Amino acid sequence: QVQLVQSGAEVKKPGSSVRVSCKTSGYTFTSYLINWVRQAPGQGLEWMAIINPSDGRTWYAQRLQGRLTVTRDRSTGTVYMDLSSLKSEDTAIYYCARLGAYREFDPWGQGTLVTVSS
Amino acid sequence: QSVLTQPPSASGTPGQRVAVSCSGSSSNIGSNTVTWYQQFPGTAPKLLIYNNNQRPSGVPGRFSGSKSGTSASLAISGLQSEDEADYYCAAWDDSLDGAVFGGGTKLTVL
Repeated sequence: QVQLVQSGAEVKKPGSSVRVSCKTSGYTFTSYLINWVRQAPGQGLEWMAIINPSDGRTWYAQRLQGRLTVTRDRSTGTVYMDLSSLKSEDTAIYYCARLGAYREFDPWGQGTLVTVSS
Repeated sequence: QSVLTQPPSASGTPGQRVAVSCSGSSSNIGSNTVTWYQQFPGTAPKLLIYNNNQRPSGVPGRFSGSKSGTSASLAISGLQSEDEADYYCAAWDDSLDGAVFGGGTKLTVL
């Protein structure tokens, strides 16, 4: 079955960077775009970025441009999300999700909690 | 401040029908399909409705979606206690060139 498995929780200092991975399985990696979505504690969902695993092209939410980089490793079917210059407001659960034919997100990874604290 | 507007809460008694609204604009709901997600505390969102009104396999027929102009609605009929969760609407936004979400609606089954 299709699965997206993310890396474990992270605790980071303000100003540092974090990398979250999303390992895919159960389908052809290059056939579906992968998105990143985050959810701050007690808050709603915020779309962050999308990557085409076939050619590596990316699109980012404007408010995260310059701090966010999404890449992929075709050999392992893994997508990476790097967020730099971390602030306390970046504390959130970060999800990866596959994009379907009608632009639906399905399935989702289990989520990775990133805590930014001094 | 979310791009799509949902009521923060909704409630109903078992067996009732409940509807959750989602309001957007011409650049998102007005020109793209709407998706709905269900999220239980401590878990990842789960796809509930896609392409405005399609249910993935495994989603009960009690859940239905509709769209008209720049608004959409999720209806749950025959409400059950296990439907108590947060519900989010989403759509692609052509101006922002990315997905936008509603702020979420917390459904309480009384």
